[in-house]
Amino acid sequence: ETGVTQTPRHLVMGMTNKKSLKCEQHLGHNAMYWYKQSAKKPLELMFVYNFKEQTENNSVPSRFSPECPNSSHLFLHLHTLQPEDSALYLCASSQVGGIPRYTFGSGTRLTVV
Amino acid sequence: GESVGLHLPTLSVQEGDNSIINCAYSNSASDYFIWYKQESGKGPQFIIDIRSNMDKRQGQRVTVLLNKTVKHLSLQIAATQPGDSAVYFCAENMESGGYQKVTFGTGTKLQVIP
Repeated sequence: ETGVTQTPRHLVMGMTNKKSLKCEQHLGHNAMYWYKQSAKKPLELMFVYNFKEQTENNSVPSRFSPECPNSSHLFLHLHTLQPEDSALYLCASSQVGGIPRYTFGSGTRLTVV
Repeated sequence: GESVGLHLPTLSVQEGDNSIINCAYSNSASDYFIWYKQESGKGPQFIIDIRSNMDKRQGQRVTVLLNKTVKHLSLQIAATQPGDSAVYFCAENMESGGYQKVTFGTGTKLQVIP
């Protein structure tokens, strides 16, 4: 375990479903991130939260909605997704102002059918 | 612009040999460069980083070299072992508005041949 826990590990959902991904860290970090990882593509930054405030939305479609209730928890709410949204969704955390060493979770493998 | 790319998508190395994974970057303002290792079924794991004012840093069996003149970064793994088989990502960080902004490369798959 890295200290960043993501649930569920696998998720299959229909295009009309609503689901949420959860990320939790107990490393004392104050920045959390959502990344999308598709085959043969670089890790794509989706959202950044620093001290619970969203500081970056990297042109992500509104069918992805993040939520950060506190500095230890991060959610990604999903609705009306498309098949091309199928990917590995990774959560990471780091310490603001420190060396940019991210700690990643194991990811949620999402399949949209 | 910001781009981080890797020269080779797949690298095959004999067990016991040294591995060298290369990376090109384009942002001269980046202050940190980081290498991550991603094993199958896991998220990326931090290996080693280097500050932009350094040109070499050594860890346990790994060395990172930074050549700012040609904007090139490399990861050297000594005495490669089967457990080193993974995808390796380079990443660069640039501070933006007081916060970290990390851009990742595509990744190089390292295959260790027993």
